[in-house]
Amino acid sequence: EDKVVQSPLSLVVHEGDTVTLNCSYEVTNFRSLLWYKQEKKAPTFLFMLTSSGIEKKSGRLSSILDKKELFSILNITATQTGDSAVYLCAAGEIQGAQKLVFGQGTRLTINP
Amino acid sequence: DAGITQSPRHKVTETGTPVTLRCHQTENHRYMYWYRQDPGHGLRLIHYSYGVKDTDKGEVSDGYSVSRSKTEDFLLTLESATSSQTSVYFCAIKSSTSGTSGRYGELFFGEGSRLTVL
Repeated sequence: EDKVVQSPLSLVVHEGDTVTLNCSYEVTNFRSLLWYKQEKKAPTFLFMLTSSGIEKKSGRLSSILDKKELFSILNITATQTGDSAVYLCAAGEIQGAQKLVFGQGTRLTINP
Repeated sequence: DAGITQSPRHKVTETGTPVTLRCHQTENHRYMYWYRQDPGHGLRLIHYSYGVKDTDKGEVSDGYSVSRSKTEDFLLTLESATSSQTSVYFCAIKSSTSGTSGRYGELFFGEGSRLTVL
């Protein structure tokens, strides 16, 4: 059975801290891993990772994929209260019908 | 914004009643998806469509049916709602281009429909 597991499930830190969110996967038809941020409503796209060892970066957020060990991490440096959200990762095949398997999400709370 | 709207956004219904949720897109994307989101489970795929009248099951399809009679609309129907179907339902489309509307393979989600079955 395909599964994606995120850890921790919940994390509370102070503004300015650096956080690392983890995502491990066991998916039969794997091609890419995606990260999403979900605040109050719809998830919004952060990163798509297809190649192992290549870091993707967007401002204070970065992510990397390890296809040998089957995991990905999402780093957020100098956290701000606006980073408070649920972070979702998903793994699977993006070609064709693209049936992604999502993790449970990590709820990140940034306290001022 | 990939031009996705869901309706209704909120609905309260009683066990045993039929419910239909609508997803409407304006950008002619081929692939459309229905997910449900529950605490502790993340997003789970219910059904998806790969074209007009072409649909297939996801991992949690029991108790749900879908229809896609035109490209822009994807309907999710609960024939006889149960309390276990209380959830937030998200429609999504898959980006098929690398242009300004997104990267290939990126999913764009609607705002969600919160369904409560009493």
